[in-house]
Amino acid sequence: TQLLEQSPQFLSIQEGENLTVYCNSSSVFSSLQWYRQEPGEGPVLLVTVVTGGEVKKLKRLTFQFGDARKDSSLHITAAQPGDTGLYLCAGGSNYKLTFGKGTLLTVNP
Amino acid sequence: GAVVSQHPSWVICKSGTSVKIECRSLDFQATTMFWYRQFPKQSLMLMATSNEGSKATYEQGVEKDKFLINHASLTLSTLTVTSAHPEDSSFYICSGGDGNQPQHFGDGTRLSIL
Repeated sequence: TQLLEQSPQFLSIQEGENLTVYCNSSSVFSSLQWYRQEPGEGPVLLVTVVTGGEVKKLKRLTFQFGDARKDSSLHITAAQPGDTGLYLCAGGSNYKLTFGKGTLLTVNP
Repeated sequence: GAVVSQHPSWVICKSGTSVKIECRSLDFQATTMFWYRQFPKQSLMLMATSNEGSKATYEQGVEKDKFLINHASLTLSTLTVTSAHPEDSSFYICSGGDGNQPQHFGDGTRLSIL
């Protein structure tokens, strides 16, 4: 069974601060996906990383896939209250995803 | 982008009743649909995978007679929680995929059993 460990589990910061959350595994994944979920809603796909060492940017969010394709990170620059939510990484194929436990981010105004 | 619609979004019912949740792919054909359960502040736990026209594959520890899944068409899958009890209260989320793109998730169903 492929496991994904996310850290930190909880993160509370002030608006304007930078942060990084991590997603680690002992297994190699063909791809990793990052989702954000708000309370009472389903997860929304942010990005898919496929190539080892790949870096993708989505406005203030920067996603990196480790060279060995076992880990990934999400860096948020100048966090805003609207970034508040549960950030989930997931790995596997389109047929079956394994989710990490998530990082619950709170950005205080 | 691909859209998955889930209905109802919230249901409250008495212990012992059965509850049906629908998951529809609105603009693509979901050859595979997935059902997840999520407890507060926790991640998604896969319950079962269903392929159109065949029996669902359940994850270890998930009772197939308790959680009935039907995937009769490429755009509709249903999850029926039979004889629901308070411990079945949770947030149930479906997703759909066609193998060529990442799964797209519905907005979830909040199930509360009294």
